[in-house]
Amino acid sequence: DIVLTQSPGTLSLSPGERATLSCRASQSVSSDYLAWYQQKPGQAPRLLIYRASSRVTGIPDRFSGSGSGTDFTLTIGRLEPEDFAVYYCQQYGGSPYTFGQGTKLEIK
Amino acid sequence: QVTLKESGPVLVKPTETLTLTCTVSGFSLSNAKMGVSWIRQPPGKALEWLGYIFSDDERSYSASLKSRLTISKDTSKSQVVLTLTNMDPVDTATYYCARIRDGGSPFQYWGQGTLVTVSS
Repeated sequence: DIVLTQSPGTLSLSPGERATLSCRASQSVSSDYLAWYQQKPGQAPRLLIYRASSRVTGIPDRFSGSGSGTDFTLTIGRLEPEDFAVYYCQQYGGSPYTFGQGTKLEIK
Repeated sequence: QVTLKESGPVLVKPTETLTLTCTVSGFSLSNAKMGVSWIRQPPGKALEWLGYIFSDDERSYSASLKSRLTISKDTSKSQVVLTLTNMDPVDTATYYCARIRDGGSPFQYWGQGTLVTVSS
């Protein structure tokens, strides 16, 4: 099974700052089938990025994904108040479709 | 418009069997390469993938739950059913279903989730 390790566990930043979240896979992710989700309290996760760098329609362009193979990054260009949430990466290149343990983005 | 909705008991006792239903609309479970996956999230913890079923009845389960978990579907009712036997308090979680497609598909559409508590 592919284990996804996200870092940092918690990221404390201020609105307007840039956020960089990391997701490292224990083995190469097939076809770079790596997704990023945002989850706010009491809500289902929301898909932001798929196939490592493709942004879902309607997601603001301050969200961008990069990386390939085993190292992936989610960057949020200028943080808005509504961006403070928990972010998960997930690989869906093959079963089991594992998730990372999450990065909590909190207001500093 | 694609929607999914989970339903089932909010409270189960230890050793009992949990049965949850995911009712879908906006797509058909008989469409080629279409499927539904189940995911759960214990309170305050990370997401855990449980398994999936596709329109051709291909299934896959989490290794840690494989002996207890069954996912089935009723295409005529647009429903996917999760059955988890021998429930334990550690199975307390919000259970989600999500639409997937064969050939590599992120989870773009999710249900709202249903919280299941295991307690005597």
